[in-house]
Amino acid sequence: QKEVEQNSGPLSVPEGAIASLNCTYSDRGSQSFFWYRQYSGKSPELIMFIYSNGDKEDGRFTAQLNKASQYVSLLIRDSQPSDSATYLCAVNLGAQKLVFGQGTRLTINP
Amino acid sequence: NAGVTQTPKFQVLKTGQSMTLQCAQDMNHNSMYWYRQDPGMGLRLIYYSASEGTTDKGEVPNGYNVSRLNKREFSLRLESAAPSQTSVYFCASQLTGNYGYTFGSGTRLTVV
Repeated sequence: QKEVEQNSGPLSVPEGAIASLNCTYSDRGSQSFFWYRQYSGKSPELIMFIYSNGDKEDGRFTAQLNKASQYVSLLIRDSQPSDSATYLCAVNLGAQKLVFGQGTRLTINP
Repeated sequence: NAGVTQTPKFQVLKTGQSMTLQCAQDMNHNSMYWYRQDPGMGLRLIYYSASEGTTDKGEVPNGYNVSRLNKREFSLRLESAAPSQTSVYFCASQLTGNYGYTFGSGTRLTVV
């Protein structure tokens, strides 16, 4: 079992809809959770982080964390074509460094 | 505020040549990392430095060496490049363990 797992996609969502991205992790001791967005040919960019169970909202983005079930998700409301990218889930598995999932490729169709 | 600066942005090497990838951050971060990213493989950790004066191997360290020159700079050296090292290399820095990384813009390396 991989330490951090994501569905690689591609995930296709119509413009204006909600895009839902999911990530599961193996270590119950994980403390912090991050979502990165990576456009093709660019470097990963941090868009959300969450430390506590529940929801965290920032504009059109909502991160959700459920430590009991060991999953973290990212919701993108009112999806725009500019949201088309690969989304990387990263988890601090108790040690200092982050472990990244393989990423989910998201395409928003106009 | 430059963040994390990587040089060069592009490089073509012949098999057996050596080169050093440079990385510098101006955010007073403690930890620095080198990753490679290949299609279908995700981000793989090569080496990291948890603090100035320390370095540790990551998932794929073979064929690479690193130097944490000071708190700002962390370089990655390929002593004898191989075609299998063709990849995109990212440097990242982190304030402390519970914070996310800030990535540099990457180096696209091709070994022929």
